[in-house]
Amino acid sequence: DADVTQTPRNRITKTGKRIMLECSQTKGHDRMYWYRQDPGLGLRLIYYSFDVKDINKGEISDGYSVSRQAQAKFSLSLESAIPNQTALYFCATSDTHGRETQYFGPGTRLLVL
Amino acid sequence: SQELEQSPQSLIVQEGKNLTINCTSSKTLYGLYWYKQKYGEGLIFLMMLQKGGEEKSHEKITAKLDEKKQQSSLHITASQPSHAGIYLCGADYSGGSNYKLTFGKGTLLTVNP
Repeated sequence: DADVTQTPRNRITKTGKRIMLECSQTKGHDRMYWYRQDPGLGLRLIYYSFDVKDINKGEISDGYSVSRQAQAKFSLSLESAIPNQTALYFCATSDTHGRETQYFGPGTRLLVL
Repeated sequence: SQELEQSPQSLIVQEGKNLTINCTSSKTLYGLYWYKQKYGEGLIFLMMLQKGGEEKSHEKITAKLDEKKQQSSLHITASQPSHAGIYLCGADYSGGSNYKLTFGKGTLLTVNP
């Protein structure tokens, strides 16, 4: 089983709709991150959380919100989706005590019509 | 301007050829991470470099961090079609216990048989 899972894997929605992307991890990591990837722009950080009570905005948080329901779960919400939020979204986790790497989920492909 | 620049943006090589991808930072790096991504999939961690002058290898891939810790290169020897994908570098600028990564825009590598 994958250590970091994302649901759904693909989603098509309409402008103005509220949607939630979910991320779960079984690695026992405290730190979790949400990124979006757009062609030619690399990965950009949306929000990150260093523990259940700690939520921080990344470089492109406008239009997004997050919820850290538990150590293992970190959800990203688009309150009112717009077409330029069409992107590939990744969740990642990392270990509290080390700096070895971030572990990425498989991604959620979102299309906003 | 971009904090972390990757070059080239894309690269097409013939199988068996060597190639180099560069990642240049506008400021000193605490750590530099290399990832590989198959199209539309999650990121796979390759290597992390922290010390100036450090060099690491895994199979046919070698990564180096320069002495000033502002530039890293990824070198692939005798490329194979399995090396094809997007290579991303991620920079840790914080140096603190809770870190987050800033990513370059990626390099798309195509290896022709």
